[in-house]
Amino acid sequence: ELKVEQNPLFLSMQEGKNYTIYCNYSTTSDRLYWYRQDPGKSLESLFVLLSNGAVKQEGRLMASLDTKARLSTLHITAAVHDLSATYFCAVDPRLSGGGADGLTFGKGTHLIIQP
Amino acid sequence: ETGVTQTPRHLVMGMTNKKSLKCEQHLGHNAMYWYKQSAKKPLELMFVYSLEERVENNSVPSRFSPECPNSSHLFLHLHTLQPEDSALYLCASSQGPNEKLFFGSGTQLSVL
Repeated sequence: ELKVEQNPLFLSMQEGKNYTIYCNYSTTSDRLYWYRQDPGKSLESLFVLLSNGAVKQEGRLMASLDTKARLSTLHITAAVHDLSATYFCAVDPRLSGGGADGLTFGKGTHLIIQP
Repeated sequence: ETGVTQTPRHLVMGMTNKKSLKCEQHLGHNAMYWYKQSAKKPLELMFVYSLEERVENNSVPSRFSPECPNSSHLFLHLHTLQPEDSALYLCASSQGPNEKLFFGSGTQLSVL
């Protein structure tokens, strides 16, 4: 069974600081996604990482994937208040050889950025 | 607007009621999903339909019954639910299986 672990689960930081959210997964996969969820809202896709070494950047967010380490990171540069949200990583489990189709999500990282 | 519409947005039901959640996608996608989001738990995949065929998921109780009449519509029929079924139910679609998901706004369900 594929397990996806994010850390930290909760992060409070000040504007202007840098920080990294980590996503580890337990079995082989080369397809990983990052989503953002604002309070009371649905999930919005941020990044799709499709191969080892993939790096994607959008504004102050940068995501990377290391399939050998089974690790993805979401790096926040010079955080601003608008980035406050819950961030989820999700992994395609199909290479693990088991389970139904559909992505496996981490528990999410609740990020609060204070002015 | 993500192109995936869910109704109703909120639903309160008793344990003996029967209700249905509806999802419609306007993106021309071939796969649709139901996810359950509970407090402090990861999103749980409930059902997947790919090209209108259901992928089995034996871990979901039979009080939840999905229906996918065509590639644009997905329903979740609910009956004799339990209070622990209270959660946000999210519908999603993707171009192909396990590709980037586009989520609806969800139905916040409360079972009394």
